[in-house]
Amino acid sequence: RKEVEQDPGPFNVPEGATVAFNCTYSNSASQSFFWYRQDCRKEPKLLMSVYSSGNEDGRFTAQLNRASQYISLLIRDSKLSDSATYLCVVNTGGTSYGKLTFGQGTILTVHP
Amino acid sequence: DGGITQSPKYLFRKEGQNVTLSCEQNLNHDAMYWYRQDPGQGLRLIYYSQIVNDFQKGDIAEGYSVSREKKESFPLTVTSAQKNPTAFYLCASSISASYNEQFFGPGTRLTVL
Repeated sequence: RKEVEQDPGPFNVPEGATVAFNCTYSNSASQSFFWYRQDCRKEPKLLMSVYSSGNEDGRFTAQLNRASQYISLLIRDSKLSDSATYLCVVNTGGTSYGKLTFGQGTILTVHP
Repeated sequence: DGGITQSPKYLFRKEGQNVTLSCEQNLNHDAMYWYRQDPGQGLRLIYYSQIVNDFQKGDIAEGYSVSREKKESFPLTVTSAQKNPTAFYLCASSISASYNEQFFGPGTRLTVL
């Protein structure tokens, strides 16, 4: 089983739609979780950190389910500019060095 | 304007040549990292450094070398021993190694001909 696993998609949705991505992780001791966004041929950029039971930032909501070892990202009222690859990232190391493990990414395309 | 810079953006080299990728940050971060990304794959950790004059191997260190002589700089050398060096190389930094939010530079796309 991969340490961090995502559905690669692609997800094709119309503007205004709500879309959700899931990500599972294998290390039950993981403490920190993130969603990054990566545009084509660019660097990943931190979208949200998910530290406890989840958090919301505008149209974006991230949830953490420790019992089932998955995190999710919900995007409401999708915009054309949301088109990107969304990377699920999990701290799979100890507290002295936080090793981040990246999922392969989920591709989202928002169309008019 | 604080940030992470990488140079060059694109790099072409002949097989068998060593090449050094630059990474500089002015964020006063202690920890720095090198990843490579291949098409359709997640980022994989090559080397990381928690503090000046210290660095550790990541998951795929073979064929690579690094140095950390200054807090701001963490250059990566891709040696001729690296079997498949063509990839997108990303440098990142964080406040400390235990502070997990990492911020990335714009990357260097290396093509070995």
